[in-house]
Amino acid sequence: RKEVEQDPGPFNVPEGATVAFNCTYSNSASQSFFWYRQDCRKEPKLLMSVYSSGNEDGRFTAQLNRASQYISLLIRDSKLSDSATYLCVVRENDMRFGAGTRLTVKP
Amino acid sequence: SQTIHQWPATLVQPVGSPLSLECTVEGTSNPNLYWYRQAAGRGLQLLFYSVGIGQISSEVPQNLSASRPQDRQFILSSKKLLLSDSGFYLCAWSTGFYGYTFGSGTRLTVV
Repeated sequence: RKEVEQDPGPFNVPEGATVAFNCTYSNSASQSFFWYRQDCRKEPKLLMSVYSSGNEDGRFTAQLNRASQYISLLIRDSKLSDSATYLCVVRENDMRFGAGTRLTVKP
Repeated sequence: SQTIHQWPATLVQPVGSPLSLECTVEGTSNPNLYWYRQAAGRGLQLLFYSVGIGQISSEVPQNLSASRPQDRQFILSSKKLLLSDSGFYLCAWSTGFYGYTFGSGTRLTVV
């Protein structure tokens, strides 16, 4: 079983749509959680941390369920510029990355 | 402010040739440093990490090695490249609780 699993997609959505990505992790001792964004042929960049109580940053909402070892990212009112690959990241002693979910937002 | 530099941006090397990729960090001291590889269409694989000068931990056995000759310098090397070494190599440093910051990466093609 992979340490961090994500639906690879691709997700193709129209502008303005709401889209949700899910991620599961295997190590119950994982300490912290993140979503990164990676544009084509670029390095990953931190999108947001994920807190136990859930957190929101503008159109982005992240949720964590420690009991189910499950993380989610919700994007509301999708923009063309949201097109990218979204990486779920779990920190144990070091960071473990999911393979990413590809999102394409179309006009 | 802290910055991370990685070079070269792209590299095409023949099979059997040596490799040296360099990563340097500015604006911080004693950072934790990491080398990742991302194969085409796949996730990031941790190759090496270092918590200090001369301290290297390897995640997977492979054709690569790493060194940390200075506090803010991390080098990835190979004596003889294989076709399977092709990929996107990323250096990162730990920003503590808030995750990693990546360099801009080196896209290596072994031919």
